[in-house]
Amino acid sequence: TQLLEQSPQFLSIQEGENLTVYCNSSSVFSSLQWYRQEPGEGPVLLVTVVTGGEVKKLKRLTFQFGDARKDSSLHITAAQPGDTGLYLCAADTGTASKLTFGTGTRLQVTL
Amino acid sequence: DTGVSQDPRHKITKRGQNVTFRCDPISEHNRLYWYRQTLGQGPEFLTYFQNEAQLEKSRLLSDRFSAERPKGSFSTLEIQRTEQGDSAMYLCASSSTVLQETQYFGPGTRLLVL
Repeated sequence: TQLLEQSPQFLSIQEGENLTVYCNSSSVFSSLQWYRQEPGEGPVLLVTVVTGGEVKKLKRLTFQFGDARKDSSLHITAAQPGDTGLYLCAADTGTASKLTFGTGTRLQVTL
Repeated sequence: DTGVSQDPRHKITKRGQNVTFRCDPISEHNRLYWYRQTLGQGPEFLTYFQNEAQLEKSRLLSDRFSAERPKGSFSTLEIQRTEQGDSAMYLCASSSTVLQETQYFGPGTRLLVL
């Protein structure tokens, strides 16, 4: 059983569309992180959310941490081909900041 | 400020052979992590070091796997008697217990066992 479930698994959209990716768990986390990974590369940290209900914006990306700190969402406005990649949520499981990753959402944005 | 580097980037080997991967963390980072990522999945934790001490190992790390960080700087991950199921991307990350503990990942070593 995955600790963090992401949905959808795959998303193919056209440039300019909006999308939301979800990361859900039955566990409560002290913090949650979102990463983006391109083929053949390691994950790159986008944001860390810590407080329940917190909303963070990074240009066209909006991240939200659920009030109960069990879930999070990533919303992309006006997607661009450069947004293509694997989006991963990850939780700090508390032991030396060991990360548990979600199942991932593979996003493809076409012209 | 150079990031985390890993060598080699790709490795193809035959079943039963031994392989060794190297990770050079960001220089001032005292923690180093190894993760494994199979196609279509998120990375899974394997082990971590604080300085030269290996403090935790996942159940995923069978006795064919061994990791070292002899001087608290670079680390090696060795897989003995490789099996086809070992084919994956092996990712290294480092962090600092002083500076926010954010993990920075290297580009990974992609292993293919034939």
